[in-house]
Amino acid sequence: SQQGEEDPQALSIQEGENATMNCSYKTSINNLQWYRQNSGRGLVHLILIRSNEREKHSGRLRVTLDTSKKSSSLLITASRAADTASYFCATDGLTSGSRLTFGEGTQLTVNP
Amino acid sequence: EAGVAQSPRYKIIEKRQSVAFWCNPISGHATLYWYQQILGQGPKLLIQFQNNGVVDDSQLPKDRFSAERLKGVDSTLKIQPAKLEDSAVYLCASSLSVHEQFFGPGTRLTVL
Repeated sequence: SQQGEEDPQALSIQEGENATMNCSYKTSINNLQWYRQNSGRGLVHLILIRSNEREKHSGRLRVTLDTSKKSSSLLITASRAADTASYFCATDGLTSGSRLTFGEGTQLTVNP
Repeated sequence: EAGVAQSPRYKIIEKRQSVAFWCNPISGHATLYWYQQILGQGPKLLIQFQNNGVVDDSQLPKDRFSAERLKGVDSTLKIQPAKLEDSAVYLCASSLSVHEQFFGPGTRLTVL
């Protein structure tokens, strides 16, 4: 079974708005990563946050991690049509070695 | 820098037939992964190689799936015989570390 669960499953917003996606996981982790997948393509790494970090920024991306709640959020500010994609969180757990376990993903649609 | 290459991009076969996928990782990446991504789900790791040795194949259905990475570079994933539930996108990824994996475009397999 998948480790992570993203919420919402689908999100539709207008260009310029912010998009927030959430990820919950079940077991203790070393790191949590976010990936983007455009339709029909492979995944692209966006950002990694370590278990001892609470917040991280990269350009228009902001990731938070709450290990007590086993959850993370990805915020995309000032969204663009090109941000339309599926977004996945992935964890490597303390008991799973280096294996990455992906969530089900959030499908983000940014309307121009 | 060239990315991860995969072929073919699309494959349609009938159940009980055999199929093979090829992956050429980014030059210098010792770690190579094969994932299965069923429509609407996140990728699931099938097998992980470190150079030409298997690190993790705990989620590989070994009765029908096999993979090899000769000489620690290119890799092939084979399904024999295929079942309807094998219809999915098969993604290859490579990395220098677990922290950022680089994905190929994937092979979309349809089993009829």
